[in-house]
This record gives sequence, C-alpha cells and structure tokens, in this order.
Amino acid sequence: KAGVTQTPRYLIKTRGQQVTLSCSPISGHRSVSWYQQTPGQGLQFLFEYFSETQRNKGNFPGRFSGRQFSNSRSEMNVSTLELGDSALYLCASRPDRDAQYTQYFGPGTRLTVL
Amino acid sequence: GENVEQHPSTLSVQEGDSAVIKCTYSDSASNYFPWYKQELGKGPQLIIDIRSNVGEKKDQRIAVTLNKTAKHFSLHITETQPEDSAVYFCAASRGFGNEKLTFGTGTRLTIIP
Repeated sequence: KAGVTQTPRYLIKTRGQQVTLSCSPISGHRSVSWYQQTPGQGLQFLFEYFSETQRNKGNFPGRFSGRQFSNSRSEMNVSTLELGDSALYLCASRPDRDAQYTQYFGPGTRLTVL
Repeated sequence: GENVEQHPSTLSVQEGDSAVIKCTYSDSASNYFPWYKQELGKGPQLIIDIRSNVGEKKDQRIAVTLNKTAKHFSLHITETQPEDSAVYFCAASRGFGNEKLTFGTGTRLTIIP
C-alpha cells in the first residue's frame, strides 16, 4: 500500500502571499490531520478532518485553514504568510475505525517564507 | 491543555548499549501513547505505541513502559545499532474521536560505533 503523499515537497514564498499544500492519505484512511514542525515550537497540531468535516482544531490563527474532499484528500491553506510560518508541514492519516489510533505521517512539505 | 515533557534532549550511547528516553504527560484522560522516529528529511515514523490498559509492550529490541499513576512512559532500545541514530518523539492523545497528538520536544539519539 502506498504511504501518505504530500505535494509539493518544497515551497518558497514571500511574506503576504498565500499557499496551498496537498495531502493524499493512505488508501482507505478517512481521517487526515495536519501538524506544523519548527525547531522552536516542535510538532504542533493544526487540525483534523474526517468525512469532509473539521473534527478538531489546534491553537493557530484563522490564517490557517483546511478542507477535505470526498476522496479523503486534504488541503491546507495559509493566507498572508509571515516569516514565522516557515516550517515543515506534516500530514497524517488514520483508518478511523474503532480502536485504530495509529497515525501515519507523510514526508512533509518544507515551506520557506522570505 | 495537554503538555508532554521529554528527557533527555540529546543522548549518545555506544553501539550495543541500551538507550532510555522518558516522557511525562499532564492530561489524565490521555490513553494512547505512540513513539515516533524521525530521520533527516523524512516524516515521523511510528516505531511502537501503547494504550492505557497495558503496562508494557515489546517489539524486538524496542519496548515501551507506561505508569498511568505517575503519568509517565518510557522508550527502551536495547542492543543499539548505528541505524537507530535519529530524533525520537513521544506523544499522547485521548484516542478515538480526539486524535490530536501532543508531542514531546524530541530526543536526538546518536549511536557511537
């Protein structure tokens, strides 16, 4: 089975721009979560989607948003980019069956904001 | 909210020796505790996990122990090998229906040949 895929792998943007990142979960997985990883703050939860609905949300400003499509693929969007948004953005998928807690991570998208 | 503390931040051990990484959590409702290994340029990879109804779990050279009373869990790697060198993260969540993982700050493990 193919793993979680994320595109693009690397991205360079300038302050004020917006960006959209894409995540394709493992086939059959319906839950998708997004995390931000930075050297200073570590791994932080952004949000989680299941069946096209946001089910959980972390403590990030409204500039960070996401969505999920009917095929479980997910996108996250960051508007009005700031220098501090430079990070590795990770997507994780989960089967979302009872007692299936394991989250499988993709390789991430490295976003650099200049 | 949940807070997960992880120690040590760096750890160097001789090849063949054991390595132990410790984490504590604050949310008594947490009941799922995974450990992830992250190599340079890659996403975190699950290496072992444990649920609150189990005190210990082992998979070959890797074991995890959980003390719910103390809100403490640990990763044990025996017979370390050079390929074990990586950053290791502990995490905690409430499990099904609330999948948010709260991560520790990571431990950079270096295996000295």
